[in-house]
Amino acid sequence: DIQMTQSPSSLSASVGDRVTITCQASQDISNYLNWYQQKPGKAPKLLIYDASNLETGVPSRFSGSGSGTEFTLTISSLQPDDFATYYCQQYKSFSFTFGPGTKVDIK
Amino acid sequence: QVQLQESGPGLVKPSQTLSLTCTVSGGSISSGDYYWSWIRQPPGKGLEWIGYIYYSGSTYYNPSLKSRVTISVDTSKNQFSLKLSSVTAADTAVYYCARVYYGRQRYFDYWGQGTLVTVSS
Repeated sequence: DIQMTQSPSSLSASVGDRVTITCQASQDISNYLNWYQQKPGKAPKLLIYDASNLETGVPSRFSGSGSGTEFTLTISSLQPDDFATYYCQQYKSFSFTFGPGTKVDIK
Repeated sequence: QVQLQESGPGLVKPSQTLSLTCTVSGGSISSGDYYWSWIRQPPGKGLEWIGYIYYSGSTYYNPSLKSRVTISVDTSKNQFSLKLSSVTAADTAVYYCARVYYGRQRYFDYWGQGTLVTVSS
């Protein structure tokens, strides 16, 4: 099974900050990596697919990069609506695996 | 606009079988580009993929849950369902149904609102 880790598990940031979240896979997953945003009491929302492709309607301040085992999600200028938990998810095999999540809260 | 809605009991007794149904509207469950999935999230914890099904009935399950999970589809009702047997308190979670785009990329693009299932006597 492919395991996913994320760092940090949580972070505090201010509006306007640049935020970077890292996701690591236990084996090479090429670019088969998605990112989701989840707010309390809500279902997750797709942000990035295939490691770096922005989902339609997602603000351009979100970007993704990486391949193989190391991936990053970057928010270029944090906005009030961005305080949430972020999950990566791999799909190299027929199984899907989510990372444990990174909570972004207000500093 | 595709919408998914989970339904089923909110309380299940230990050792019993959890049963949930997801009703899809605004699109056909028989569309060839999509699989249909269940994901769960224990209170205060992360997301766990349970499994998914194609409209033809082909299924893939999380190996950690495979022995207890059955996902089925009813194309005539545009619904798919989850059964999880021999539940314990560890199965208490918000259960989401979701659509999986299954092309060269695979991602969850539409989700239900989620339904909390508590396992307790």
